[in-house]
Amino acid sequence: ELKVEQNPLFLSMQEGKNYTIYCNYSTTSDRLYWYRQDPGKSLESLFVLLSNGAVKQEGRLMASLDTKARLSTLHITAAVHDLSATYFCAVDYLSGTYKYIFGTGTRLKVLA
Amino acid sequence: EAEVAQSPRYKITEKSQAVAFWCDPISGHATLYWYRQILGQGPELLVQFQDESVVDDSQLPKDRFSAERLKGVDSTLKIQPAELGDSAMYLCASSTGRRNIQYFGAGTRLSVL
Repeated sequence: ELKVEQNPLFLSMQEGKNYTIYCNYSTTSDRLYWYRQDPGKSLESLFVLLSNGAVKQEGRLMASLDTKARLSTLHITAAVHDLSATYFCAVDYLSGTYKYIFGTGTRLKVLA
Repeated sequence: EAEVAQSPRYKITEKSQAVAFWCDPISGHATLYWYRQILGQGPELLVQFQDESVVDDSQLPKDRFSAERLKGVDSTLKIQPAELGDSAMYLCASSTGRRNIQYFGAGTRLSVL
């Protein structure tokens, strides 16, 4: 069964601290996406990682991709309250056509 | 800034009734997706269109769900009859092509009573 698993599922952290969210996937894919979702809102694209070793950074967030390990990380540096949200990774894979699977999500709460 | 439009934002219905959701993608986006998101879970792809053609509906419960994109622009997702387990957020997304960044609409929250 194809799976995209994230850990942790829930994360409560203090402002100013660093932490990493992990995304493991079970299918062959060379492209991985990170999204953010605020409560009751839709999804906002954060990063698209296009190849093995890709690294992208935006503000306090940095994402990386290791296609050999089938692992992506989302690193949070010096967290601030505004980063509180649920973060999803997603992969696409070829099965006739390109299909899309989202991860389980990581609910992040940054405490002031 | 261009957005994906969805309506209605909220829908309450009784089981066995029919419901329909509408989505208007960003102009020029050839690929359109419908997702279902159950509270506390990630979105699950229901159907994917490339222009007016369905390219993937393997996860669409075809006994009760249908989707169309007749002119390759806006799209409608229908459920008939609705069941209690259909209560969820229904999200529409569009992109310039498959494997490109998807832009999501605000969603339609469905409650089936």
